[in-house]
Formats: sequence, structure tokens, C-alpha cells
Amino acid sequence: AQSVTQLGSHVSVSEGALVLLRCNYSSSVPPYLFWYVQYPNQGLQLLLKYTSAATLVKGINGFEAEFKKSETSFHLTKPSAHMSDAAEYFCAVSGGSNDYKLSFGAGTTVTVRA
Amino acid sequence: DSGVTQTPKHLITATGQRVTLRCSPRSGDLSVYWYQQSLDQGLQFLIQYYNGEERAKGNILERFSAQQFPDLHSELNLSSLELGDSALYFCASSEQGGPQYFGPGTRLLVL
Repeated sequence: AQSVTQLGSHVSVSEGALVLLRCNYSSSVPPYLFWYVQYPNQGLQLLLKYTSAATLVKGINGFEAEFKKSETSFHLTKPSAHMSDAAEYFCAVSGGSNDYKLSFGAGTTVTVRA
Repeated sequence: DSGVTQTPKHLITATGQRVTLRCSPRSGDLSVYWYQQSLDQGLQFLIQYYNGEERAKGNILERFSAQQFPDLHSELNLSSLELGDSALYFCASSEQGGPQYFGPGTRLLVL
């Protein structure tokens, strides 16, 4: 079975500062890992995905994440926060290889201060 | 816009009633997934269909059922509704093995 744990339910950053959202995974097989963003009253939008290719994954809106097997982590970063980054972010894992259902973390709400 | 559509956007009903939520996947996607998002349980996988066949089942209650039709749209049926079924219900679609793209959701309120 696969699961993810997101550390920190709320993160507050200043505009222009680094955004760092933490995600650790547990998986009995090589995982597929994802970050999704949810804006208020909207569905989930895929930011980026890791599927066993390059360990540094670049996504949309300037986000990137690094897969670290030794640390079982898949943290999301963005060098410079923008007001439009205020949203809830979800880390998710699937087993791949015919097990594609997603298991989500509890989510991290990002607030951006002017 | 993900290309996944869901109807209705909002649904208000009473306990004991039955509702049907509809999902149309992105063009070409054969897989459809249903998820429930609630404050106490977070995002939970319910069920997956691939080209009309059930492929995986999660924590889906026996009062809930789903199907995928030949045109690939899917319906989630919720019956004998309880207050605790109030939640956002998302549909997602994907190519086989590809990332999932989510619809805007149906917000269900059971009174």
C-alpha cells in the first residue's frame, strides 16, 4: 500500500520568498508521485509528476519537486512566491503498474503575505 | 480547464434520497476515477473504471455504486443518503497509466 504525509497543514510566506512544501511517502513498490493544487471552489490541477525518470521534476507555474529515495521525500518548491500561489496543495502517490488510484496527503494551505 | 466535465455543480437533497452524479472524461481517456473530498476524511479514492469495466475499488460504501457507459461517461449513484455523505465529489480521467486530470467537482449537501 502507498501513502503520503504532508508536514505542516498551513504555510505562510512573504511575496517573493521561497515556498517549500514537504511530502514524505511510504510505498512497497517504486512510487509514482504527484503534486496537485486546489484553488478555492475549484477542482484539482496537476502541478507536476514523478514517474521514475529524472529525480528533479519541473512543473507549471515555476514549481519543481525533487524525488529523494534515501529520504522517501518529494518536497515541492518555488523560488519566489506570488500572490496567485495562495491555494491548497496536495501531494499524492500511486503504485503505478496497474495500481493507479491516488492516495492523497491531508493538504497544505499556502498563504502569501504582501 | 482540464477537459473533464461534471454535472451538476451543486446538489442539495434530503436524507434518505438518491442522487446521480455525472462525469464526462477528457477526449480519448478510457480511465475514470471517483474521489470524495470531505473536511474530516480529506480526499478519498472511491472507484475506478477502465473502458467500461471496474478496475479498482476504494473505501466506497455499499450504498454507493458507479458505472461507465459505452460512450465512456460515468455516473456515481448515491442512495439512502446520510448527513455524513455531504462532500465534494470529484471525477478524474486519464490515459492508461497517465496522470489524472480532475473535473470541477459536484458539491453535495444532504439536509
